[in-house]
Amino acid sequence: NAGVTQTPKFRILKIGQSMTLQCTQDMNHNYMYWYRQDPGMGLKLIYYSVGAGITDKGEVPNGYNVSRSTTEDFPLRLELAAPSQTSVYFCASRTKTGSSEQFFGPGTRLTVL
Amino acid sequence: AQSVAQPEDQVNVAEGNPLTVKCTYSVSGNPYLFWYVQYPNRGLQFLLKYITGDNLVKGSYGFEAEFNKSQTSFHLKKPSALVSDSALYFCAVRDMGDDKIIFGKGTRLHILP
Repeated sequence: NAGVTQTPKFRILKIGQSMTLQCTQDMNHNYMYWYRQDPGMGLKLIYYSVGAGITDKGEVPNGYNVSRSTTEDFPLRLELAAPSQTSVYFCASRTKTGSSEQFFGPGTRLTVL
Repeated sequence: AQSVAQPEDQVNVAEGNPLTVKCTYSVSGNPYLFWYVQYPNRGLQFLLKYITGDNLVKGSYGFEAEFNKSQTSFHLKKPSALVSDSALYFCAVRDMGDDKIIFGKGTRLHILP
């Protein structure tokens, strides 16, 4: 199993550009999450999904959109990039068992200039 | 809403000494509690979790954590620190009645040779 994979690993965007961060898991997990990590701020939950077709907002959803058309994929969309979105983005997944831990991808480092 | 506090930005411990990384939490119901570790330029790796039952939880790499309901704490411990334990440690909480998993801001652990 590859686990949770994220692409790209690095990206530089100009202000106002758009992009999609890809996340795929091959563990047949129902739950998927997107977090951003900023220095000294820990991980902040952006969006999460409990299954295909179902998404919900986390702590910091503004400026982002998600979709979940399949169990495997959970892309994160930035429509109008802003410098405040410079961060490292992590995708995670877990089974629907209530106590299950999350499995994390390697992250995408995004810089908006 | 659930929240997690890690009061120390950094903890320094001499190799061979015991270590403690602190975590307190707030949930409206009963908690699931987790510890993760992050090495440089990597995703998060699961260490251990508290579900219910025994207040002392044992996990990977010799780490353990003590759940204290009255103090709403879940401190990470290890009897004898190794230099290779140096990393960023995150505490996370999920309310049993919720699907969101919320992380603390992280504590950087430095083990001094």
